[in-house]
Amino acid sequence: GQQVMQIPQYQHVQEGEDFTTYCNSSTTLSNIQWYKQRPGGHPVFLIQLVKSGEVKKQKRLTFQFGEAKKNSSLHITATQTTDVGTYFCAAFVNQAGTALIFGKGTTLSVSS
Amino acid sequence: KAGVTQTPRYLIKTRGQQVTLSCSPISGHRSVSWYQQTPGQGLQFLFEYFSETQRNKGNFPGRFSGRQFSNSRSEMNVSTLELGDSALYLCASSLIGAPGTEAFFGQGTRLTVV
Repeated sequence: GQQVMQIPQYQHVQEGEDFTTYCNSSTTLSNIQWYKQRPGGHPVFLIQLVKSGEVKKQKRLTFQFGEAKKNSSLHITATQTTDVGTYFCAAFVNQAGTALIFGKGTTLSVSS
Repeated sequence: KAGVTQTPRYLIKTRGQQVTLSCSPISGHRSVSWYQQTPGQGLQFLFEYFSETQRNKGNFPGRFSGRQFSNSRSEMNVSTLELGDSALYLCASSLIGAPGTEAFFGQGTRLTVV
């Protein structure tokens, strides 16, 4: 079945350093979503990418969707302690609903 | 506008018992999905409901079931609980019942099976 793989599983950085998490799918995706879950919290939607090669920015966060629509990345520039949490990529199970398959997530810790 | 509400927030059950969890979606949202989150397996899709119909089902045993009511509220039930069912159960609602829409998650129900 469809799988979404995400690396690395954990990443620790010093405040101010950059951070990147990568997401790969075994199949071509129609779109991909990214969510953030703070410690003790619930996943919160960050963004959706739809087009091949798409790049979107949200302040210090840059999201990319691969040309083949099989991979995606999230890059955070100059991390802050507020960036701490787990970042998930997610793809739709099928085109018949809103069910999502999530990557295992990358847990980011930041020391000041 | 109220967010997705899940009740109860915490639950402790004994092996062999059954449990029912409740989810009230954001007003106007008709699509509700359930996920199980564990440290080892991450976020795994359980099932999705839209207009009282189960539209998608994940790879979980038949002990896991759910339903959706006419007001879009949803419940999930787990029978014959096992220790491995201990997890955070998350409900998510979407405004439009089609791919490409944002999912809004509730705070979750933390289930502990002893």
